[in-house]
Amino acid sequence: QQQVKQSPQSLIVQKGGIPIINCAYENTAFDYFPWYQQFPGKGPALLIAIRPDVSEKKEGRFTISFNKSAKQFSLHIMDSQPGDSATYFCAANRNAGKSTFGDGTTLTVKP
Amino acid sequence: DAGVTQSPTHLIKTRGQQVTLRCSPKSGHDTVSWYQQALGQGPQFIFQYYEEEERQRGNFPDRFSGHQFPNYSSELNVNALLLGDSALYLCASNPRTSGRAGELFFGEGSRLTVL
Repeated sequence: QQQVKQSPQSLIVQKGGIPIINCAYENTAFDYFPWYQQFPGKGPALLIAIRPDVSEKKEGRFTISFNKSAKQFSLHIMDSQPGDSATYFCAANRNAGKSTFGDGTTLTVKP
Repeated sequence: DAGVTQSPTHLIKTRGQQVTLRCSPKSGHDTVSWYQQALGQGPQFIFQYYEEEERQRGNFPDRFSGHQFPNYSSELNVNALLLGDSALYLCASNPRTSGRAGELFFGEGSRLTVL
């Protein structure tokens, strides 16, 4: 049973564009929702995270939008750069225990 | 400030063998989790250790076992290796009592190939 569904599987944008990656979860007990960035051959790195009582959070060029009633959240990357080309994972966590990850979105930002 | 370190980075084993992977958590972190990441997929939770005890376990067979030491470092052991165990094994740490305890800090991983 996949508890976190992520879309799209891949995404191509031009430099300066705003890619949007979406995730939906099922378990309402989740209480923390981080996003991770992974480059080939590297481990995932934390980008930004949000709690379900907050509707939006911005850190630099990265913004999370959270819709608790719809059980959905999304990552927006403002002014995307070729260096942002990577695989992005959403995750959901409960009580600092296991994190459940989406299947990832491969983002390509063209110069 | 050292991050999460894992060893070895790459290893090749044959079916039926056993493997031990090692992890040192980020300074100040007391909780260690292990994840398996198959090619093209998201990390899958194996188990979590806190205060030297296994606190949570994912849907992995008993062939997967672990240990946490008093200095918070951890080992992942896999017995009777199968071809399907080939994957990137990720160690992650977090400070359990922090308000941001749901954020994981990952190592670079150990790439296991089973032939």
